[in-house]
Order: sequence, then C-alpha cells, then structure tokens
Amino acid sequence: DAKTTQPPSMDCAEGRAANLPCNHSTISGNEYVYWYRQIHSQGPQYIIHGLKNNETNEMASLIITEDRKSSTLILPHATLRDTAVYYCIVRVVAAGNKLTFGGGTRVLVKP
Amino acid sequence: GAVVSQHPSRVICKSGTSVKIECRSLDFQATTMFWYRQFPKQSLMLMATSNEGSKATYEQGVEKDKFLINHASLTLSTLTVTSAHPEDSSFYICSASPRIGSYLGYTFGSGTRLTVV
Repeated sequence: DAKTTQPPSMDCAEGRAANLPCNHSTISGNEYVYWYRQIHSQGPQYIIHGLKNNETNEMASLIITEDRKSSTLILPHATLRDTAVYYCIVRVVAAGNKLTFGGGTRVLVKP
Repeated sequence: GAVVSQHPSRVICKSGTSVKIECRSLDFQATTMFWYRQFPKQSLMLMATSNEGSKATYEQGVEKDKFLINHASLTLSTLTVTSAHPEDSSFYICSASPRIGSYLGYTFGSGTRLTVV
C-alpha cells in the first residue's frame, strides 16, 4: 500500500471547520483513500473513504485532488469530541487486505 | 452497524503468566480479523492477520510462539500472550470486516490494555 504523509498535529477552534491534509503521491489507481480516527484509549473509528470523487457523509467530507496525490478530510463544525488522532490510509480493496497505520494527525479542538 | 466486541478491556497479570484476549464480531461473520498493538503516543502496529480455520499470518518481527492466535469460528478470534513480560504491556486492538474485500471500513474493537507487573 502507498505511504501517506500527514502533519503530526494541528489545533482548531470549536465550531469551525477542520481541514486535515494528507499526501499520498505514490497512490496507485486501484487504491482507495480511507480516514479513521482514534479517540484516546479507544479503537479506531471509520470516518469515510473515496477513490477519486469527493465524498460526504454525516461525519465528514473527503476532497481528493484530481491527480489523487493528496486529499483533505473536512470536519465541517468541529466539536470538543472531535479531539482525536486522525489517520489517512490508502489501501487496495482486496480479500483479507490489511490496514497499515502511519503516524496520523493529532487534532486538538479548543473551545 | 457492524460491531466488534473485545474482552477484557483491561487486564493486569504477573510476569511469566499468560493472558487471553477475545475478539468477537457480534452481528456479522468475519473470515479475517487483524490484531494490532499500540504503545503510548505511537501509532497502531499490525501484529498478525487471523484467518478462520487456518494459521495466522504474522508480521515481520512478531514472535508467533509468544503471541498465539486462534480463529476457531467466524465470529471469534483470540490472542494469547504467553509468558508475559513487562515489555509486553501495551494496548491491543482487534479489527474485522463484515465482508472481506468490502469497500466499507474495517470495524475495530475497543481495545485491551494489558499491564504486566
């Protein structure tokens, strides 16, 4: 699976949009971009995924550049409960394929 | 939605003893489950892939005789830390997917914090 690069940490204000970048310049055509988050001392939680089109669900939006070499996760209205480590992962969807986690971005939402 | 239950959530054991951690998929069948460990302030590290009815596949550097994995049914995988030592103290997390190869994300258990004293 392709490697991803994320900033180690970022702060954002409660109620504002949080934009989390991820670089995946070596992504292959059949690799999807997944985002997970991990709140302290819990298991990771799936947020969203996409291949090439922008995606939106009840939790977030995912913007993937046209060349697919980077993406941005957008939390539209950050709350204190969104404080977590956010992981961007690229992966081929295949039977039994594993998820490999990088360093992630530690997001602190401040009041 | 898909739920993965992990038990126990916390365990303290004496050095030299063995500890078993269970991972159950509650409302779906999981042909494959994954086991991770996580040290404080670090990311998740994949330890092994657990396949129902066959031997687990371990990542490089993970001792298969120390971390025994059994996946006897489509809803249960267990990780046994044998002859535990303080350096095995960590946060262990399992995950599973409702449909192998699914476009949906894998579901994770809530984790087990192991402390070896």
